[in-house]
Amino acid sequence: EAQVTQNPRYLITVTGKKLTVTCSQNMNHEYMSWYRQDPGLGLRQIYYSMNVEVTDKGDVPEGYKVSRKEKRNFPLILESPSPNQTSLYFCASERGNEQFFGPGTRLTVL
Amino acid sequence: GNSVTQMEGPVTLSEEAFLTINCTYTATGYPSLFWYVQYPGEGLQLLLKATKADDKGSNKGFEATYRKETTSFHLEKGSVQVSDSAVYFCALGVGGNTPLVFGKGTRLSVIA
Repeated sequence: EAQVTQNPRYLITVTGKKLTVTCSQNMNHEYMSWYRQDPGLGLRQIYYSMNVEVTDKGDVPEGYKVSRKEKRNFPLILESPSPNQTSLYFCASERGNEQFFGPGTRLTVL
Repeated sequence: GNSVTQMEGPVTLSEEAFLTINCTYTATGYPSLFWYVQYPGEGLQLLLKATKADDKGSNKGFEATYRKETTSFHLEKGSVQVSDSAVYFCALGVGGNTPLVFGKGTRLSVIA
């Protein structure tokens, strides 16, 4: 089954404790991206990647890092999380302008 | 720049009512237009799309027509069901290296 998977689905952590949210897709898509979804703000893109070893900032990249060492994986890294990064995060892969979204990761930073 | 504006929610309707969710856009060039749906606890999934002016996208009883003259892509359904309760996002894409631009989403609640 074609899909985008994310782990973990839920995470509660404390300020400053590094964390990684994994994302994997099995559709061989070159384009992948990370979004955060916040009430009243809709979806905002954090980072995107057009291919292996090619990443670029989206609209709200501050406080986040990504890497793209393999085509299928696109992890999101928070080196020092802060409470304003409490949000719902989605990974997506894309082909031909159609995006396929993961199920989301709800992150709470205390 | 490119942008999408969709009507504020929430929208609450009774089952079998007619639904319209307005979406207008601003874009350079000739974008493709999309509606995505997010059911509770899930990620977004593509509902329908249209890639050129006057195209009509349709799926699951939903329809939207790409209107270049009014820069609109309104979502409609003739008879909503409780299972249509979700958040709906309008989006545009111009291709190339430019990411999709999403509206802020409209929450629809359908009551029996």
